[in-house]
Amino acid sequence: KAGVTQTPRYLIKTRGQQVTLSCSPISGHRSVSWYQQTPGQGLQFLFEYFSETQRNKGNFPGRFSGRQFSNSRSEMNVSTLELGDSALYLCASSLGGTSGGDQETQYFGPGTRLLVL
Amino acid sequence: AQKITQTQPGMFVQEKEAVTLDCTYDTSDPSYGLFWYKQPSSGEMIFLIYQGSYDQQNATEGRYSLNFQKARKSANLVISASQLGDSAMYFCAMRARDSSYKLIFGSGTRLLVRP
Repeated sequence: KAGVTQTPRYLIKTRGQQVTLSCSPISGHRSVSWYQQTPGQGLQFLFEYFSETQRNKGNFPGRFSGRQFSNSRSEMNVSTLELGDSALYLCASSLGGTSGGDQETQYFGPGTRLLVL
Repeated sequence: AQKITQTQPGMFVQEKEAVTLDCTYDTSDPSYGLFWYKQPSSGEMIFLIYQGSYDQQNATEGRYSLNFQKARKSANLVISASQLGDSAMYFCAMRARDSSYKLIFGSGTRLLVRP
């Protein structure tokens, strides 16, 4: 079974621009979560989508948004980029259940490294 | 509020020896899941092992085992017979109902395996 894929893998943008990152989950997984990883803040939860609906949201400004399509693929958008948005953005997929074990386990993609100049 | 604490920023271990990476957690929810992930320098987070709060036995997956002490709220990862390829960052994480099932991560432990 193919793993989680993320595109692009690397991205360089300038302040004020916007960016869209894409994530394709493991086949059969209905939940996609996004995380931001920086040296200073560590791993922080951005949001989770399940069956095309945002099920959970972290403490990020409205410049960060996402969506999920009917095939469970997800996109994350960051508008008006700031220098502090430079980070590794990780996407994870899961079956989306809450009953433990495989239902909850999130499997991560390789990430997108975003550099904002 | 939920919290995951990893007190070892970095650790060394000799190849073929066992190593324990510490993790303590805090939650008031009786139902939760604990996870360990490995992150090599490439950046991808690799799932290693899962322990449910109601599981009676410690989880094991190959060379990985989880030393789950519920009363102490600790979930230490034990890696047996360390290999050079085990050199990486290791993250402990928790997911519980009282945080809307968000996956909360610790700050990580960098493990270096010496030949």
